Amino acid sequence: GAVVSQHPSWVICKSGTSVKIECRSLDFQATTMFWYRQFPKQSLMLMATSNEGSKATYEQGVEKDKFLINHASLTLSTLTVTSAHPEDSSFYICSASRTGGGGQPQHFGDGTRLSIL
Amino acid sequence: GESVGLHLPTLSVQEGDNSIINCAYSNSASDYFIWYKQESGKGPQFIIDIRSNMDKRQGQRVTVLLNKTVKHLSLQIAATQPGDSAVYFCAEKEESNDYKLSFGAGTTVTVRA
Repeated sequence: GAVVSQHPSWVICKSGTSVKIECRSLDFQATTMFWYRQFPKQSLMLMATSNEGSKATYEQGVEKDKFLINHASLTLSTLTVTSAHPEDSSFYICSASRTGGGGQPQHFGDGTRLSIL
Repeated sequence: GESVGLHLPTLSVQEGDNSIINCAYSNSASDYFIWYKQESGKGPQFIIDIRSNMDKRQGQRVTVLLNKTVKHLSLQIAATQPGDSAVYFCAEKEESNDYKLSFGAGTTVTVRA
C-alpha cells in the first residue's frame, strides 16, 4: 500500500525557534500533498494544500508567513513553522494522494508532535 | 459552512460483536467518501472508501453504506476485535473543490474484552 513518511515524529524546542517538518511519499508520486493540524481529542483541520512546483494554497485563517510550505519534488513537501510559540504546539499531519485523481484516497503520515516551550 | 459530522462521539462494544459507526454529511456535491482509523499518536489509516455512484462497498470485516437521500454514511465492523479500538473519522471529498478532504468530528470506539 501507499506509504507516507513524516519526519521528525516529535519535536520539543524553545519559543522563537523555527521548525521544519518533512513529508515524503515513499512509493508513489504526489503532485499534491496536504498539511493538517490536530489538537487533542479534535478532528483534523486542513491548513494548506501543497502543490509541486507552485505556491501552496492556504485555508482561511492560516498565516502563510507563519507556516511556510515548499513542495520541490513529486515525493517531498516540507512545512516550516517559523518563530514558533507555545500556541503553535500541536500534532501536524501530512497526507498525499497518488497523482492523477480525486478518486484516490489520501494516505497519511504518522504525524509530528510539536511542543514549544 | 457545510461540513461532515458524526452522530455519536463514543461507542463501546463487546469484543466479537458488530460495530456500526454513523456519519452525517451536508455537502450534496460530495462525490467521494472515506473512512479512516486513527490510533493514539498516529496518523489516520485508510480503511475503506466509496464513490457517490455506489451505495455499499465491502472490505475485509468492514462494510461502508452510503445513503445519498439522507446524506448518511456508516461503517460496519464485523466481529470487533481489541485492535479495532481507535478514533474513526469519516471524510468527504468534492471533486470541484481541489480534492480537499473535510473530516467529521470522530467517533471513539472502545472494545470491551
